Amino acid sequence: QLVESGGTLVQPGGSLRLSCAASGFDFRSYDMNWVRQAPGKGLEWISYISYSGSPVYYADSVKGRFTVSRDNAQNSLYLQMNRLRVDDTAIYYCARVRLIPAGGSDPWGQGTLVIVSS
Amino acid sequence: DIQLTQSPSFLSASVGDRITITCRASQGINNYLAWYQQKPGRAPKLLIYAASTLQIGVPSRFSGSGSGTEFTLTISSLQPEDFATYYCQQVTSYPLTFGGGTKVEIK
Repeated sequence: QLVESGGTLVQPGGSLRLSCAASGFDFRSYDMNWVRQAPGKGLEWISYISYSGSPVYYADSVKGRFTVSRDNAQNSLYLQMNRLRVDDTAIYYCARVRLIPAGGSDPWGQGTLVIVSS
Repeated sequence: DIQLTQSPSFLSASVGDRITITCRASQGINNYLAWYQQKPGRAPKLLIYAASTLQIGVPSRFSGSGSGTEFTLTISSLQPEDFATYYCQQVTSYPLTFGGGTKVEIK
């Protein structure tokens, strides 16, 4: 199970840290992704972190502003979001990368809503 | 980056219909494609991985096929609970990318 938290209303230019709490599986063995969905729009992958914490990858839309990290001892995944923009408004999902090649992501958390507005 | 083009973007169908959704990749991705179903207010759910392998618990009326650049998701007999939005995703390389989605609505 994955449970995201930390979403809220924040002003443009502000910062926010999202968390994703994992349970029911050996979190330290799995790579993880963050995916977001703007209101009424499709899915957008934004970040990946390997099981060990490195390497990490980012979408161009968030590179240099967002930082992904994890604490395997706490079974937790994080997304530090800085210099937030109005177009960062979205539901943010964490998702586990399956160990099977070409396996996709499963499960996903329920998502946490970030609203960037003045 | 690998682009995925999904078609149609909207599909109106009746219960019992057979429907097919297509996903085309801008370059070859072997079978590194997943399909997800998303219902309003819910997180995406993995249906198919490796282009054609059904995730555990997914009904057999769902099937996937394809390799390289062209893929399809087929629902053999649409059920009321299948009305949702469907997304393909390439998982061959980062940045991962999704298709634009296909919304399946009741005719």
